[in-house]
Amino acid sequence: DARVTQTPRDKVTEMGQEVTMRCQPILGHNTVFWYRQTMMQGLELLAYFRNRAPLDDSGMPKDRFSAEMPDATLATLKIQPSEPRDSAVYFCASGLVLGTDTGELFFGEGSRLTVL
Amino acid sequence: AQKITQTQPGMFVQEKEAVTLDCTYDTSDQSYGLFWYKQPSSGEMIFLIYQGSYDEQNATEGRYSLNFQKARKSANLVISASQLGDSAMYFCAMRLRGAQKLVFGQGTRLTINP
Repeated sequence: DARVTQTPRDKVTEMGQEVTMRCQPILGHNTVFWYRQTMMQGLELLAYFRNRAPLDDSGMPKDRFSAEMPDATLATLKIQPSEPRDSAVYFCASGLVLGTDTGELFFGEGSRLTVL
Repeated sequence: AQKITQTQPGMFVQEKEAVTLDCTYDTSDQSYGLFWYKQPSSGEMIFLIYQGSYDEQNATEGRYSLNFQKARKSANLVISASQLGDSAMYFCAMRLRGAQKLVFGQGTRLTINP
C-alpha cells in the first residue's frame, strides 16, 4: 500500500534550534509539496517541487526555511533557527502530474512541530 | 488569484442524515479541478472526490457526491447516510489546470451525533 512517509511525527524543540523534517514521496510521483497547517492560517503552501526542481517557494520565509529534494525518494524541510511561531503541523504531499492532468495529492500523516 | 471559501466553520448532523458542506471558489481560469479532503482527528488528509471544470456529470464516490454548479462557482460536498466515522474536518481545494499547487479553504468541522 503506497503512502507518503514523514518523519518525525512529533518534534518538540527549543527556540533557536535547527529542525529538519523529512518526507518520502510515493514512488513514481513527480511532484512534492510542503504545506503548513495552523489553527489561524489553515493550510498554507510553503514550497513544491516537480521532478525534483523547486517550482515555487514563495510561501516560505526565506531567511529561516529551506526545502530541498536531494533525490527522488527524499524531500526535506529545514528551519534554522526555529521560532515559537513555527509551531504547526507540516504536511508533505506527493502526486503524479502529467501535463494538464489534475490528479489527486496524497498526503503524509504530518509532522507536528512545537517550538518552545 | 484563486480563492476557496467554506462558510460553515462547524456543522452538527444526526447520524444517517444527509449533509451538505458548502464550498465556493473564485478564479478567472476556465480549466481547473476541485477536490475535497477529509481530515479526521488523527490528522492525516484523505482524498475524497474530484471534479474537473469541464466534467458534465457531477462526481460521485460511494456516499460522497459533489454538487458542481459552475455558473455559481460552487462545489458542495454531499454525504449521504452519514455515519459516526464521518466526524472530521473537511477541506475544499482547487488547482488550476496546468498548475501544480492546491489551494485550500479554511475547512468545515463536521460532527455526526448518534
